[in-house]
Amino acid sequence: AQSVTQLDSQVPVFEEAPVELRCNYSSSVSVYLFWYVQYPNQGLQLLLKYLSGSTLVKGINGFEAEFNKSQTSFHLRKPSVHISDTAEYFCAVGHNTNAGKSTFGDGTTLTVKP
Amino acid sequence: EAGVAQSPRYKIIEKRQSVAFWCNPISGHATLYWYQQILGQGPKLLIQFQNNGVVDDSQLPKDRFSAERLKGVDSTLKIQPAKLEDSAVYLCASCPVRGYNEQFFGPGTRLTVL
Repeated sequence: AQSVTQLDSQVPVFEEAPVELRCNYSSSVSVYLFWYVQYPNQGLQLLLKYLSGSTLVKGINGFEAEFNKSQTSFHLRKPSVHISDTAEYFCAVGHNTNAGKSTFGDGTTLTVKP
Repeated sequence: EAGVAQSPRYKIIEKRQSVAFWCNPISGHATLYWYQQILGQGPKLLIQFQNNGVVDDSQLPKDRFSAERLKGVDSTLKIQPAKLEDSAVYLCASCPVRGYNEQFFGPGTRLTVL
């Protein structure tokens, strides 16, 4: 069985400050890891994904995440956030033979203040 | 390339009424998913289709929910009769093949049951 825990339900931050959104997972098999962003009244958009290889993954909009197998974590980071980054962020774990059958965390609301 | 289309975007009904949602995946995508996203939670998989066949419906409340993808293209999700706890956003996603490592989400249908 797979599970995902997003450690912070809400993260307020000032514009141009760095941010880290934390995600821990558990799985008994090899996994794919994803971060999605959801803007109000929209569907989910893929930010980045880890499949294999380099543990540092770069995504869209300046986001990156680091896969840490020993700590079973996949934290999302951005060195300088913008107002437009205000959204809901979801971490997900997908089985390596059926990534679409993903288990999602409950989300972290990132609020960027001016 | 057109994205995943869903309709309607919003629906308000009273409990015990019926409702149907429609999804048209990205052209050529064989795999289609329906997710339920309750406010404050991450999406939870309801059903997965591969072409016109059901791959996984283990989380679908079959006493009231049904879904079909008759021609292997667009899909309909139905709730009959609706309960208050069915209030949620229903997301459709697709990917080219079952083992593909990314999903593409539609904008969702927000259902409110009064």
